Parts: sequence; structure tokens; C-alpha cells
Amino acid sequence: AQSVAQPEDQVNVAEGNPLTVKCTYSVSGNPYLFWYVQYPNRGLQFLLKYITGDNLVKGSYGFEAEFNKSQTSFHLKKPSALVSDSALYFCAVRGYQKVTFGTGTKLQVIP
Amino acid sequence: NAGVTQTPKFRVLKTGQSMTLLCAQDMNHEYMYWYRQDPGMGLRLIHYSVGEGTTAKGEVPDGYNVSRLKKQNFLLGLESAAPSQTSVYFCASRPPLAGGQRGGELFFGEGSRLTVL
Repeated sequence: AQSVAQPEDQVNVAEGNPLTVKCTYSVSGNPYLFWYVQYPNRGLQFLLKYITGDNLVKGSYGFEAEFNKSQTSFHLKKPSALVSDSALYFCAVRGYQKVTFGTGTKLQVIP
Repeated sequence: NAGVTQTPKFRVLKTGQSMTLLCAQDMNHEYMYWYRQDPGMGLRLIHYSVGEGTTAKGEVPDGYNVSRLKKQNFLLGLESAAPSQTSVYFCASRPPLAGGQRGGELFFGEGSRLTVL
């Protein structure tokens, strides 16, 4: 069975500092990995994905993620956090047909 | 350009009542999914469909039924609502993975907030 773990319920970072939101996964076969963001009372929005190719993928709003096959990780990163980045972030893995999500990490960027 | 539309957005039910949530997408996607979101539990897959006329169970299917009679619509039914089904329900659709990096990501509706008293 496929699974995703987001070990941190909340991450606090000062505005302007780099941020990392952690994700590890388990899936049979090639991993298809995704990050989504959710703002209050809204649906999830796609940020970025890893399908194949370069281990560092770039996405929307200046976010990027690093795929590490040996550590089965797909951490979300941003060089300089903005207050407007404060939201709930979900990591997801796509298996054969199902898409499984982690429990989410609340990112709080402090002015 | 509506994307994924869920109706209703809010509903309050009494225990034992039934209701249907409608998800409609205008992107001609084959795959559609119903999730529920609960605090501290992330999104859990209820049922999904890989094409018109097909449905399959996800992680938490008990107490729910689904139908996909038309490609653009995916209905989620609660035959006899229970307080444990109080949640926010999200529908999502996606295209198949194409060549290279194309496709595969989910497009979500805005959610349907259901309260069962």
C-alpha cells in the first residue's frame, strides 16, 4: 500500500528566511510525487510535481522540491519565505490509480 | 472555465437522512476522486473512478456510495447519515499522465461542508 508521511504538524519560519516542509513516501514502482497548498476555506491547489528527470523540481510561487530516491523523500523548499505563504501544505503520491495524501503541514510565516 | 464544481457547498443533515453531493468537471478528465478532510487526518480517499461507468473503493468507503453515469459527473451519496460523516468533502479530477512531465496533477473543487447532527 502506498503512503505519505509529513512529520511536522506545523512549521514556523521568519519572513525572508528559507523554509523546508518535509515529506517521505512509500509506493511500489516509480514514484509520482506532488505538493499542494490549501488556503483557509478553499480547495487544494497544485504547486509542483516530480514525474521523472531532474531531482530538483520548480513550481509555482517560487517553491521547489527535492526528490531523493534513496531517502524516499520529497521535501518542499523556498529560499525566502513570504507572509502570504502561510497556508496548509500537502504532499501526495500517485500509485497505479489512487492518489494518497499526507496529513498536512501548517506553515506559519512570521513577519 | 469552471474547472471542478461541487454542489452544495454547505449542508446540515439529521442522523439517518440521506443526501447526494454532486461533482461536475468540464475538463474531459477520465479520473475523478472523492476525499474527506478532517482535522489532523489530512485527506482520505472515499471512492474514485477511472472512467465513465466505473467506480472503486478508496480507504474509507463505508457509509458512502458513488456513481459515474456521465464522464463529467461524479456523485457521492450518503444513504443514512451519521455524525461521524461530519466533514469537508472534496472532489478532484485529473488527466492521465502524458509524455514527459505533462499531466497527472489533481484539480480540486472548493469543497462541500457537511454537518450531521
